[in-house]
Amino acid sequence: NAGVTQTPKFQVLKTGQSMTLQCAQDMNHEYMSWYRQDPGMGLRLIHYSVGAGITDQGEVPNGYNVSRSTTEDFPLRLLSAAPSQTSVYFCASSSRPGTGLGYTFGSGTRLTVV
Amino acid sequence: DQQVKQNSPSLSVQEGRISILNCDYTNSMFDYFLWYKKYPAEGPTFLISISSIKDKNEDGRFTVFLNKSAKHLSLHIVPSQPGDSAVYFCAASESDYKLSFGAGTTVTVRA
Repeated sequence: NAGVTQTPKFQVLKTGQSMTLQCAQDMNHEYMSWYRQDPGMGLRLIHYSVGAGITDQGEVPNGYNVSRSTTEDFPLRLLSAAPSQTSVYFCASSSRPGTGLGYTFGSGTRLTVV
Repeated sequence: DQQVKQNSPSLSVQEGRISILNCDYTNSMFDYFLWYKKYPAEGPTFLISISSIKDKNEDGRFTVFLNKSAKHLSLHIVPSQPGDSAVYFCAASESDYKLSFGAGTTVTVRA
């Protein structure tokens, strides 16, 4: 089925470890983004990309890196995990990002940093 | 500081009755407002939207009202059904690449 695929679904990391959260979409959307969801905070934008080779920071970018080498993939890297990065991470792509419409979200990655 | 606020973390309503979810915002530059619905272990899905040039948009059982002077919008669900039990997020956009979300309201529809 067409959509946004996130892997892994669950991950436990130790403080200081690094990892990459994978996100892939097959809808040929130019726009992709990463959000984190925390209790009482809603979804907050981490990084976004408007096309291959183009990325920019969102509201909470510190501690995260991204790159966009293809239209399909938008991985999120944690270089040195911290307990404050324990969260649920959602990747989204959109055909009409300016309107907020057409956003397709993945099912999320639940990350715990101990 | 959050620009989109949902001050009611939860709402319980009887099946068949109306559910009213509220959302306030502080950024007068927002020109699109949306509601997303989220079930456990799934990503949010788009529910309904409204442009800032309108004050009402209706789609089946769902109606969104926008009061720009009060910087307030609401979502009405009539009648409420068990499948409506979910978390509802209010979101807003300035026609750029950043969608701002509220903290969410958990709706429980009682039989």
